[in-house]
Amino acid sequence: SQQGEEDPQALSIQEGENATMNCSYKTSINNLQWYRQNSGRGLVHLILIRSNEREKHSGRLRVTLDTSKKSSSLLITASRAADTASYFCATAPYGGATNKLIFGTGTLLAVQP
Amino acid sequence: EAQVTQNPRYLITVTGKKLTVTCSQNMNHEYMSWYRQDPGLGLRQIYYSMNVEVTDKGDVPEGYKVSRKEKRNFPLILESPSPNQTSLYFCASGGTGANVLTFGAGSRLTVL
Repeated sequence: SQQGEEDPQALSIQEGENATMNCSYKTSINNLQWYRQNSGRGLVHLILIRSNEREKHSGRLRVTLDTSKKSSSLLITASRAADTASYFCATAPYGGATNKLIFGTGTLLAVQP
Repeated sequence: EAQVTQNPRYLITVTGKKLTVTCSQNMNHEYMSWYRQDPGLGLRQIYYSMNVEVTDKGDVPEGYKVSRKEKRNFPLILESPSPNQTSLYFCASGGTGANVLTFGAGSRLTVL
């Protein structure tokens, strides 16, 4: 069952600009994670934010979480061509099995050099 | 290097010909899972395993089987593949108490 819905579905920006992607979900969660997927490759974990956290940073990544609106955003600052990839949010449902993650449909980010 | 290894990476087969996609992890993870990825549908979970000899259905288990006889291996079996199982498959693993998953590189399967 789909939990996360990313918005926009696709995003094209110039190198150096910031990229913002949003994720909405339906049920209560333990945590929310963001993953990156380079074309046709496996997903790579980027960052995890717990349900009691509102903001988290990791390098050029900034994630926010609003549990009242059931939404999260991923901000990539000063984007680079190497950031071109699909980005997925994944939620760990509250009370769900350990390691159970539900993935959204992803945002395709293209960073033009 | 900590990793999840899937084989084969690419496979073209015909309807009804049994096949197995292997998955192995070297991180001593208890949790392993199989996903399929289709355009516009994101990743959907097929089966997962919380530990050796413990497996359970995910969201789209029909047409698939799994087994977990050893901690490191979690093969995906398609007993009688059909064209609607043409997809990109990912194996993933995670440690106890953690939700973070490590993914394999993917196996692209085409069923003619």
